[in-house]
Amino acid sequence: TQLLEQSPQFLSIQEGENLTVYCNSSSVFSSLQWYRQEPGEGPVLLVTVVTGGEVKKLKRLTFQFGDARKDSSLHITAAQPGDTGLYLCAGAEDYKLSFGAGTTVTVRA
Amino acid sequence: NAGVTQTPKFRILKIGQSMTLQCTQDMNHNYMYWYRQDPGMGLKLIYYSVGAGITDKGEVPNGYNVSRSTTEDFPLRLELAAPSQTSVYFCASRLAGGFYEQYFGPGTRLTVT
Repeated sequence: TQLLEQSPQFLSIQEGENLTVYCNSSSVFSSLQWYRQEPGEGPVLLVTVVTGGEVKKLKRLTFQFGDARKDSSLHITAAQPGDTGLYLCAGAEDYKLSFGAGTTVTVRA
Repeated sequence: NAGVTQTPKFRILKIGQSMTLQCTQDMNHNYMYWYRQDPGMGLKLIYYSVGAGITDKGEVPNGYNVSRSTTEDFPLRLELAAPSQTSVYFCASRLAGGFYEQYFGPGTRLTVT
């Protein structure tokens, strides 16, 4: 199993601030996904990045895949309380995903 | 579409008891997965299936069994519950091919005491 490390583990910010979450591995992935999970629910896919160096934007969220396809970042601009949740990255290998431990993001109003 | 459904939502088991966690998907997905999620540990793969009649072990299969007799259903069986199996269990499914986007159920919270 390939290890994915996410940092920071916890992040608490004020509404309107920006934040960045990191996902790093020593292994190369064919693709990498970001999920968001709210308390009491299953993870929901936010984005899939496939190409090294790829940048994808979803409204205030920007996702980047490293050139070597070993790392990724998620940047949120002007965070809102609705962005609160557990953010998980997952790397694809064969038929399976390997998940990082997640970053718990709290956005205070 | 209901997507991926799981039952029960919550369950308390005594040590040594057995139970089956149910998972059903109505999206005609070939691949199905069982994960457990412990605090601060992310999601660990227990078992997966690439189609009816085919199952394989994931990262943490000990103490669990699965079957896949239909495309829709992928039950997870705990034979002799242990406190170490206290966790939240998620079932997921996806289409074959593509970039492995998985769709998750709402989870089953299991406590073994």
